[in-house]
Amino acid sequence: ELKVEQNPLFLSMQEGKNYTIYCNYSTTSDRLYWYRQDPGKSLESLFVLLSNGAVKQEGRLMASLDTKARLSTLHITAAVHDLSATYFCAVDMSDDGGYNKLIFGAGTRLAVHP
Amino acid sequence: DGGITQSPKYLFRKEGQNVTLSCEQNLNHDAMYWYRQDPGQGLRLIYYSQIVNDFQKGDIAEGYSVSREKKESFPLTVTSAQKNPTAFYLCASSTLELFGNTEAFFGQGTRLTVV
Repeated sequence: ELKVEQNPLFLSMQEGKNYTIYCNYSTTSDRLYWYRQDPGKSLESLFVLLSNGAVKQEGRLMASLDTKARLSTLHITAAVHDLSATYFCAVDMSDDGGYNKLIFGAGTRLAVHP
Repeated sequence: DGGITQSPKYLFRKEGQNVTLSCEQNLNHDAMYWYRQDPGQGLRLIYYSQIVNDFQKGDIAEGYSVSREKKESFPLTVTSAQKNPTAFYLCASSTLELFGNTEAFFGQGTRLTVV
């Protein structure tokens, strides 16, 4: 079964602290995505990770990919209130017929407070 | 500008009525997807397509139908067989290439409510 698991599902952080969100997936994949969603809005692309060992950084967010462990992480450095949102990982997988499907984790709802 | 457009933004459906949600992209992407999102939940895959005139059922296809007559268009019909259609519907597109611009983009979503 094609599964993508994120943890934690809820994260309450103090401003200035660091934390990591984890994304595990069940089968080999060519691409892994991280998205941000604000309440009532669509998804905004943050990172696309294509290969083992890939690391990308944008501001206080850094994403990495370990294809051997089937694990991606999204690290938050010195959190600020503006980072409060729901973060999703998504994995590009092949189904039984060889068709690509994009499967999402359940999301991590992040709340940053003073 | 290149992008993916969903319409309408809000849609109200009466009981027993079929409605169609539009999704158009001008990114020349091969793959297109439809997702359903319930409040406070993740995205569940309804249908997906890689080429014209071909599409596959996702995890929750019952009560929905799609067509892919043109590469740039992937409309979703919510039929009367879908008993609980109230949700936020998101359309996405992506390239199947492994290099270059490989992002998967989302439309702004359609919020469907049964009245």
